[in-house]
Amino acid sequence: EPEVTQTPSHQVTQMGQEVILRCVPISNHLYFYWYRQILGQKVEFLVSFYNNEISEKSEIFDDQFSVERPDGSNFTLKIRSTKLEDSAMYFCASSEVEGTEAFFGQGTRLTVV
Amino acid sequence: AQSVTQPDIHITVSEGASLELRCNYSYGATPYLFWYVQSPGQGLQLLLKYFSGDTLVQGIKGFEAEFKRSQSSFNLRKPSVHWSDAAEYFCAVGAKEYGNKLVFGAGTILRVKS
Repeated sequence: EPEVTQTPSHQVTQMGQEVILRCVPISNHLYFYWYRQILGQKVEFLVSFYNNEISEKSEIFDDQFSVERPDGSNFTLKIRSTKLEDSAMYFCASSEVEGTEAFFGQGTRLTVV
Repeated sequence: AQSVTQPDIHITVSEGASLELRCNYSYGATPYLFWYVQSPGQGLQLLLKYFSGDTLVQGIKGFEAEFKRSQSSFNLRKPSVHWSDAAEYFCAVGAKEYGNKLVFGAGTILRVKS
């Protein structure tokens, strides 16, 4: 069964460093998303991406964040200068068409120290 | 603003007992609804979904959910819980009018006692 793959599963970084979280969405999917879940809190939408551009972003997704689909298979989330409060589980998701279910990856646990 | 409420933070049931997890939503558009399950340290697995049609939907692992528009609810049920069902359950709502992003509830942690 096709699945969304995220790497790494866990990343520890120092405050102020840049991190790139990687995702390989399901191959025929066209819509891509990043969500995050701070420990003990609800899953929150960060950004959606379609046709090589951001289609929607939340207020969390400030200038420190960026997304890219560099090569037609990977979908990345970059945090330019990490803060302690960026520590969370980050989930990538993809969906085939608009208005269908999103399939989630296993997540990347980011720890900022 | 769109919101999803899962009023029960924790629920404990005995193995073999029935289960109902509550979900209420507030949305300004025709929603589509999901239940996801998350085991500790794991990702989100889709249990079931509702887009339209029959308001009682069947999912994986013996779960079902019923969409009640008049009550703005989408409660998850299982007739007989197994110890392996212990996990956290999230209700999520989306709508095409809101760009397909999902709004999640805070989750309900299910504990199963033997």
